Amino acid sequence: DIQMTQSPSSLSASVGDRVTITCRASQSISSYLNWYQQNPGKAPKLLIYAASSLQSGVPSRFSGSGSGTDFTLIISSLQPEDFATYYCQQSYSSPGTFGQGTKLEIK
Amino acid sequence: QITLKESGPTLVKPTQTLTLTCTFSGFSLSTTGVGVGWIRQPPGKALEWLALIYWDDDKSYSPSLKTRLTITRDTSKNQVVLTMTNMDPVDTATYYCAHTIYGSGSYDYWGQGTLVTVSS
Repeated sequence: DIQMTQSPSSLSASVGDRVTITCRASQSISSYLNWYQQNPGKAPKLLIYAASSLQSGVPSRFSGSGSGTDFTLIISSLQPEDFATYYCQQSYSSPGTFGQGTKLEIK
Repeated sequence: QITLKESGPTLVKPTQTLTLTCTFSGFSLSTTGVGVGWIRQPPGKALEWLALIYWDDDKSYSPSLKTRLTITRDTSKNQVVLTMTNMDPVDTATYYCAHTIYGSGSYDYWGQGTLVTVSS
């Protein structure tokens, strides 16, 4: 299985901050990397697919980049509704493994 | 509008078999490229991919759980069924089904999830 490692595991930030979350794959996955946002008690929501494509309806303050093994999710200006847990997922090969998650908390 | 909803028991005993049904609308599992997957999440833990079935009945499973999982579809009922045998307390989790498109691998629509507790 391809292992996905996110950093940091948790992050404290303030409204308006620029935030970066990274995800590293244990082998090259080209651009087959997706990002999800999950609020407590809710299902995950797809934010970014294919490393950098913004899912329909997702605010433009979210962006993704990277290829190969290293990927980044950036939130350009944090809004109150962005405090949640974020997961990366590789879809290069089965099983489509997820990272361990990054919990974004209010400072 | 695509929607999915999971259903099944909320409590199962150790060693029992779990059967979960995903009932969906807004798409057909007969349409080329469409897939439905199952993902679970133990309380307070990360997401874990379980299984996937495509429009052509192609199936894939998590290697670590492959011997315990079976995924099937009923296109006439717009349902996907996941069975997991020999349930253990560590299988306590919220189980989600989700829509995907072949070649993407991302899950763009999710059900609300159903919490399954394994306890005697």
